[in-house]
Amino acid sequence: QVQLQESGPGLVKPSETLSLTCTVSGGLVTSSAYFWSWIRQPPGKGLEWIGYFYYRGRTNYNPSLKSRVTMSEDTSKNQISLKLSSVTAADTAVYYCARGPRTDYADYWGQGTLVTVSS
Amino acid sequence: QSVLTQPPSVSGAPGQRVTISCTGSSSNIGAAYDVHWYQQLPGTAPKLLIYANTKRPSGVPDRFSGSKSGTSASLAITGLQAEDEADYYCQSYDSSLSVVFGGGTKLTVL
Repeated sequence: QVQLQESGPGLVKPSETLSLTCTVSGGLVTSSAYFWSWIRQPPGKGLEWIGYFYYRGRTNYNPSLKSRVTMSEDTSKNQISLKLSSVTAADTAVYYCARGPRTDYADYWGQGTLVTVSS
Repeated sequence: QSVLTQPPSVSGAPGQRVTISCTGSSSNIGAAYDVHWYQQLPGTAPKLLIYANTKRPSGVPDRFSGSKSGTSASLAITGLQAEDEADYYCQSYDSSLSVVFGGGTKLTVL
């Protein structure tokens, strides 16, 4: 069974770049069968889709975040990474990575990691 | 403001049936894009409950069912149990080239 684990700094300063990694076990991030998504949830609020990474580097980002988001893969470590630049307090959230057989839903989720943007 | 609209809260007594609505528009649900539902228990990650409008992943009880009509979709839970108390989110795709979520509905089991 596939498992996903997010990791990265829990505290990021305003205007800096948030960097997170999702380590996948039980499946390959290079598989053409799945889409690897990032989704976030501000404390006490709802879910927001950030974007997805797919086979051979194809990506699709939320238009509202597109100018600040970069997703990539590290095949040697079977990881997907997320970078979000020029962060503000509004980017404080629990960040989830997730896998889906299609672009529009996810069947496996990581446990999430809280990132706080504060000086 | 979420693209998909859900009631903030619903409640029901054990054994009862409750429904949660998800209202969209002609650019998402009404454009024939599928609707999916997630259950989020307190302090945990969302769990896929219904996909492609009506399908249940393996392991999800048949007490949970989904439907879709026009620009709206619904999640129904029958035989309500205390363990069903959670937040529920609908999800779809929007022609603005983005995956979109509803604002979430908190289910309270009385």
